[in-house]
Amino acid sequence: SQKIEQNSEALNIQEGKTATLTCNYTNYSPAYLQWYRQDPGRGPVFLLLIRENEKEKRKERLKVTFDTTLKQSLFHITASQPADSATYLCAPLRGGSQGNLIFGKGTKLSVKP
Amino acid sequence: DTAVSQTPKYLVTQMGNDKSIKCEQNLGHDTMYWYKQDSKKFLKIMFSYNNKELIINETVPNRFSPKSPDKAHLNLHINSLELGDSAVYFCASSLGLGLGEKLFFGSGTQLSVL
Repeated sequence: SQKIEQNSEALNIQEGKTATLTCNYTNYSPAYLQWYRQDPGRGPVFLLLIRENEKEKRKERLKVTFDTTLKQSLFHITASQPADSATYLCAPLRGGSQGNLIFGKGTKLSVKP
Repeated sequence: DTAVSQTPKYLVTQMGNDKSIKCEQNLGHDTMYWYKQDSKKFLKIMFSYNNKELIINETVPNRFSPKSPDKAHLNLHINSLELGDSAVYFCASSLGLGLGEKLFFGSGTQLSVL
């Protein structure tokens, strides 16, 4: 069955450092993958989308990579700030579906001042 | 202006009751969804509607019945509530069903079944 794993449940880093979050998927090849941010008591908010033919995507301090050989996406936040503290969800498109995403469990990022 | 709004924010009820959650989007989107986020934080799709037509119906008990009176609204009715139904339910919308459409989520309804 199609599985999504975000390796770390929690990641603690110091302000100013780069946070790197990992998303691995197995048993299929998604056409694209999205990343969302979720704050406590709120719904997820879309951050970035990367397609299978793209190696890397950037938006301000965010960078996403997509390695279809390793079946992995990495999400980077450079120059991290305490305001970046949140849970980050990886969401590849589910195979054989139309617009149906599978969400990972998320990685809770805490950025300490 | 809230793009995707759902009510109520909190819902506490007894086992066996019937309850509804309402969702409205003012983004002009064609597609709406219901997701369930359980205590382990997995976010799983339950239903999706496109222009009021049911597109996705995951393996959800038939006690759950979505209803889309128009494409701006997707309500969720739950009959005979069970303890295992306790979760946070999120409504979402997207422009359409095209590949790569991003989802806009509501702020969630926390359902507690006692």
